[in-house]
Amino acid sequence: QKEVEQDPGPLSVPEGAIVSLNCTYSNSAFQYFMWYRQYSRKGPELLMYTYSSGNKEDGRFTAQVDKSSKYISLFIRDSQPSDSATYLCAMGTGRRALTFGSGTRLQVQP
Amino acid sequence: DSGVTQTPKHLITATGQRVTLRCSPRSGDLSVYWYQQSLDQGLQFLIHYYNGEERAKGNILERFSAQQFPDLHSELNLSSLELGDSALYFCASSVATSYNEQFFGPGTRLTVL
Repeated sequence: QKEVEQDPGPLSVPEGAIVSLNCTYSNSAFQYFMWYRQYSRKGPELLMYTYSSGNKEDGRFTAQVDKSSKYISLFIRDSQPSDSATYLCAMGTGRRALTFGSGTRLQVQP
Repeated sequence: DSGVTQTPKHLITATGQRVTLRCSPRSGDLSVYWYQQSLDQGLQFLIHYYNGEERAKGNILERFSAQQFPDLHSELNLSSLELGDSALYFCASSVATSYNEQFFGPGTRLTVL
């Protein structure tokens, strides 16, 4: 079983929809949680970083962490075609390399 | 733009050859991480350097090696290349050694023919 599980998608939504992207994990030592956005053939771009349970909001993006359920989510409000990309969750203990999910491919249809 | 630079953008070579990939971290960042991303394996951690010293190794093959120089740029050397080494190679940098908030470069696409 992988330490981090992420639905690969693809996920296709109409423009303006609310998107929910999720990851589950099995290692309770993870303390830091990140979401990266990766456009095709580009480097991953850090979107959100959090180290506690609860919600963190940044513009149209909200990151949610539930450590008791070992579940994290990224919500995108008012999705735009420019949000079409692969979204990677990543988790860390602070003592070793980050563990990445396999990525969810999102397509926002205009 | 993350501030991390990588060269070259693309590299095409033959099996058995050796190549060197270069990475310059963001200004002020002391840690450099190398990752390999292939279609069927996702993003795989290879190696981490902090201020010139190797700190951690991941799934790095013995044919691969890296170093970080006094000016903090890093090079990843891949030798005896095989078809299966074709992938995107990313470096990332961060301020410290906590492995968090890593900023990725644009990557080098390696094609081995």
